[in-house]
Amino acid sequence: EPEVTQTPSHQVTQMGQEVILRCVPISNHLYFYWYRQILGQKVEFLVSFYNNEISEKSEIFDDQFSVERPDGSNFTLKIRSTKLEDSAMYFCASSREGGSVFFGSGTQLSVL
Amino acid sequence: GESVGLHLPTLSVQEGDNSIINCAYSNSASDYFIWYKQESGKGPQFIIDIRSNMDKRQGQRVTVLLNKTVKHLSLQIAATQPGDSAVYFCAEFPKNTDKLIFGTGTRLQVFP
Repeated sequence: EPEVTQTPSHQVTQMGQEVILRCVPISNHLYFYWYRQILGQKVEFLVSFYNNEISEKSEIFDDQFSVERPDGSNFTLKIRSTKLEDSAMYFCASSREGGSVFFGSGTQLSVL
Repeated sequence: GESVGLHLPTLSVQEGDNSIINCAYSNSASDYFIWYKQESGKGPQFIIDIRSNMDKRQGQRVTVLLNKTVKHLSLQIAATQPGDSAVYFCAEFPKNTDKLIFGTGTRLQVFP
């Protein structure tokens, strides 16, 4: 069964450092997303990406964040200068047009 | 405003009983709804979805009911098993957005 894969599963970084979270969406999907979940809280939308551009983003997704689809299979989230409050589980997701959204298993980001 | 809320933060059921998890949503423009199961340390796992032109949809051991009049969504799990223990989220897609809005989650505990 196809699935969204994310690497790494855990990332520890120092405050102010840049991190790149990587995702391989399901191969025939066209819509890609990043969500995050702070421990014990609900899943929050960050950004959606379609046709090689951002289609929608939340208030959380400020200038410190960027997304990229560098090739035909990968989808990345970059946080330019991490803050303590960026510590969370980051989920990548993908879907077909009008279809169900499937999530990866997440990257646990810890900013020290 | 936009909000998706769950009535009960924790639901405890006996193995073999049926479970009902409820969700209230406030955005009348939402036209697509998804239930997810999240186990500890994992990403949201798609369970079942329903579009606003339907009021009931059945899967394997699960049924989703949608009542648009009162903006209420429920997930019924038949013959609940220990493996069903997890946090369950409802999520809605407001029309003409790419943003899936999650509720706060209900923890389902299954005891023997």
